[in-house]
Amino acid sequence: AQSVTQLDSHVSVSEGTPVLLRCNYSSSYSPSLFWYVQHPNKGLQLLLKYTSAATLVKGINGFEAEFKKSETSFHLTKPSAHMSDAAEYFCVVSDSVPGTYKYIFGTGTRLKVLA
Amino acid sequence: KAGVTQTPRYLIKTRGQQVTLSCSPISGHRSVSWYQQTPGQGLQFLFEYFSETQRNKGNFPGRFSGRQFSNSRSEMNVSTLELGDSALYLCASSSGQQGRNSPLHFGNGTRLTVT
Repeated sequence: AQSVTQLDSHVSVSEGTPVLLRCNYSSSYSPSLFWYVQHPNKGLQLLLKYTSAATLVKGINGFEAEFKKSETSFHLTKPSAHMSDAAEYFCVVSDSVPGTYKYIFGTGTRLKVLA
Repeated sequence: KAGVTQTPRYLIKTRGQQVTLSCSPISGHRSVSWYQQTPGQGLQFLFEYFSETQRNKGNFPGRFSGRQFSNSRSEMNVSTLELGDSALYLCASSSGQQGRNSPLHFGNGTRLTVT
């Protein structure tokens, strides 16, 4: 069965310092993995998605994530945090099992950026 | 390409009433999913429609129902509203083909307040 765990419910960083949001997944098959960002009272915006072409995935706004099969992880990083990055982030997994068509969401990590 | 459009943006209803929310997916997308988001429960999957058929269903009471039209637009209905139904309701569309190239695309949601 597929599942996703976001290891931190809250993360605080200072502006200009690196961001690391951690995500571990469990999947019986070859998973699809996504990161989304949600600003207050808005929908979720796709940051990046994992394709089998490359384990290091680059997304929008300077974010990237690395797929590590041996560690079943898909952590989100950014070299330098900006105030506008303050939001909630969701890691999502979808199995490639034919016929399931389900997306499993993590519980979210709220990122706070300190001036 | 226009994004996912949800109407109305805000809604205030009284306990016992019913409500209908609308979602227009991205052009060409055949799958529409609905999610309920609350501070206490996080993101919870309601149901998914593909080509006018309900393909997946979450664990919500029968008061929550939906449908999809031939143009892929979808509506969600909640009858006999309860205070606990107050939430942000999010609609997401996708091509409906499972896998890495089928991320969900979200609308900005409908904020429902039940008094």
